[in-house]
Amino acid sequence: ETGVTQSPTHLIKTRGQQVTLRCSSQSGHNTVSWYQQALGQGPQFIFQYYREEENGRGNFPPRFSGLQFPNYSSELNVNALELDDSALYLCASRSGLGETQYFGPGTRLLVL
Amino acid sequence: GESVGLHLPTLSVQEGDNSIINCAYSNSASDYFIWYKQESGKGPQFIIDIRSNMDKRQGQRVTVLLNKTVKHLSLQIAATQPGDSAVYFCAENLNDYKLSFGAGTTVTVRA
Repeated sequence: ETGVTQSPTHLIKTRGQQVTLRCSSQSGHNTVSWYQQALGQGPQFIFQYYREEENGRGNFPPRFSGLQFPNYSSELNVNALELDDSALYLCASRSGLGETQYFGPGTRLLVL
Repeated sequence: GESVGLHLPTLSVQEGDNSIINCAYSNSASDYFIWYKQESGKGPQFIIDIRSNMDKRQGQRVTVLLNKTVKHLSLQIAATQPGDSAVYFCAENLNDYKLSFGAGTTVTVRA
């Protein structure tokens, strides 16, 4: 186990709704990244937070947003859910830029 | 665009044999590569990493080889066990914040 936890484990939403996913980073880790993994594919980078600031973003629309808190835990918010948002959402933390990223178990989101 | 890719989507190996999983990358500026293992219903698990100033790195039963000339990365698993059955991803560290993953290789271990 990596020490990275995510909640909830599973979630079902309907199109147009909003969702918030949560991540607690491993102790001592100040950097959190979020990834989306569609079925049968590799994870795709959404964004990264370092010391409470977003410092990198992948090719995802603005309706994907996030926060990082002073204890380095993080949230991923997705507005106006679409069917294609159905995926496994992964959180990864690391002790600093350039260090290894360790993943949590993920939150499986199903949008109906 | 530049991306990391794996040569084969599936690999079937006899228990006890050695496994070799290959990966090609296209970003010559990448300086850090990681192999992850993902079991069904779980998040990716770190296996081993290598930086661009190295050609080879060994761990417990695993070895990663990096050939920068042809932009090729491989993961070797010695004495493959049933617990090694999983999807294996290589990932390339880009711009110090983003990991770029390939589609993965599914390894199935035959008893």
